[in-house]
Amino acid sequence: DGGITQSPKYLFRKEGQNVTLSCEQNLNHDAMYWYRQDPGQGLRLIYYSQIVNDFQKGDIAEGYSVSREKKESFPLTVTSAQKNPTAFYLCASSMRGAAGNTIYFGEGSWLTVV
Amino acid sequence: EDQVTQSPEALRLQEGESSSLNCSYTVSGLRGLFWYRQDPGKGPEFLFTLYSAGEEKEKERLKATLTKKESFLHITAPKPEDSATYLCAVQAGGGYNKLIFGAGTRLAVHP
Repeated sequence: DGGITQSPKYLFRKEGQNVTLSCEQNLNHDAMYWYRQDPGQGLRLIYYSQIVNDFQKGDIAEGYSVSREKKESFPLTVTSAQKNPTAFYLCASSMRGAAGNTIYFGEGSWLTVV
Repeated sequence: EDQVTQSPEALRLQEGESSSLNCSYTVSGLRGLFWYRQDPGKGPEFLFTLYSAGEEKEKERLKATLTKKESFLHITAPKPEDSATYLCAVQAGGGYNKLIFGAGTRLAVHP
């Protein structure tokens, strides 16, 4: 089945640790995104990538890093510099180019600081 | 500043009781308005895209409409399985497919 796979579903981070969330898609989409969701707030864009080996910061990129070495993969690293990382993280993808392209989401990953 | 506001925050309906959810937006150069459904602990599921004022789309008990300032998601004769959070997002002018999301409306449909 075509789709977006995020792993792990649940992740715990200790203070000072970096953690990496995996995102893989087999939709042949060029563009990929990472969003953060907090209770009572809308989804906020962390990073996005429109093509392999290229990515840009979104609205809340501080404390996060990404890479885009393959078209199907867009991992997100939550670094120790992110002071409030506990949230629900959503990976998404879309066709590149024309405006109005639908963005499709994965099932999400929960990150909790312990 | 581009902004999306959804109302109400939460809505409780009896099964069969029709209602509407509202999504108001201020954005420079609307390229598209999107509706998603999100179940607890899951990723958003795409429902509709609307591109221009006057456009309407339907899917089962859901109908989405768009004006120049807002969109409505009408739910006709809802069932308990329609219970979810409904998210509205707009795509503004810009060089990439950026979506600005509202905080969502939590819908609970009781038998």
